[in-house]
Amino acid sequence: GQQVMQIPQYQHVQEGEDFTTYCNSSTTLSNIQWYKQRPGGHPVFLIQLVKSGEVKKQKRLTFQFGEAKKNSSLHITATQTTDVGTYFCAKGGSEKLVFGKGTKLTVNP
Amino acid sequence: DGGITQSPKYLFRKEGQNVTLSCEQNLNHDAMYWYRQDPGQGLRLIYYSQIVNDFQKGDIAEGYSVSREKKESFPLTVTSAQKNPTAFYLCASSTKGVPDTQYFGPGTRLTVL
Repeated sequence: GQQVMQIPQYQHVQEGEDFTTYCNSSTTLSNIQWYKQRPGGHPVFLIQLVKSGEVKKQKRLTFQFGEAKKNSSLHITATQTTDVGTYFCAKGGSEKLVFGKGTKLTVNP
Repeated sequence: DGGITQSPKYLFRKEGQNVTLSCEQNLNHDAMYWYRQDPGQGLRLIYYSQIVNDFQKGDIAEGYSVSREKKESFPLTVTSAQKNPTAFYLCASSTKGVPDTQYFGPGTRLTVL
């Protein structure tokens, strides 16, 4: 179908360690969006990637879009306790977004 | 303040009762969406609307109904036909359907007893 597969489902790290979540699709993506949902909160838009091979940075967060536009990743350098939450990727390109199931990140201080 | 409001934050209902969840936005967005979130399931699309008086079923529309009589409002009714209605419901809006950023409301946590 139109699914985007996101791995891992859960990730627990020590504060200061790096974290990466991956989003994969069997079909070419027009674009990919990333959202963060804090515990008890609602998803908040982080970034959108459109171009093949695109890399964007937001402070300690690095977002990549694969050359074939079938996968994307979010990497957090030196995690902090404020990074806890669930990170979702979502594929665009139609009149609706299709969300991955998310990666839940917990950080041990 | 511009944004999306959902009310109430917590809602309890008895089994067999219909319940309507409110979603209002003052962002002047054309498109609005309803999602259901269960633990480990991510966000699943229930219904969406790209224009007033028009809406489309999402992936899990059975047991739900919506209306879009005004641009700023997109209420969701959870009917008694929904077999497992207890969940976290999120409303979102965007300037257009393809493929713009979605802005989410704070959500309503519905518990059916």
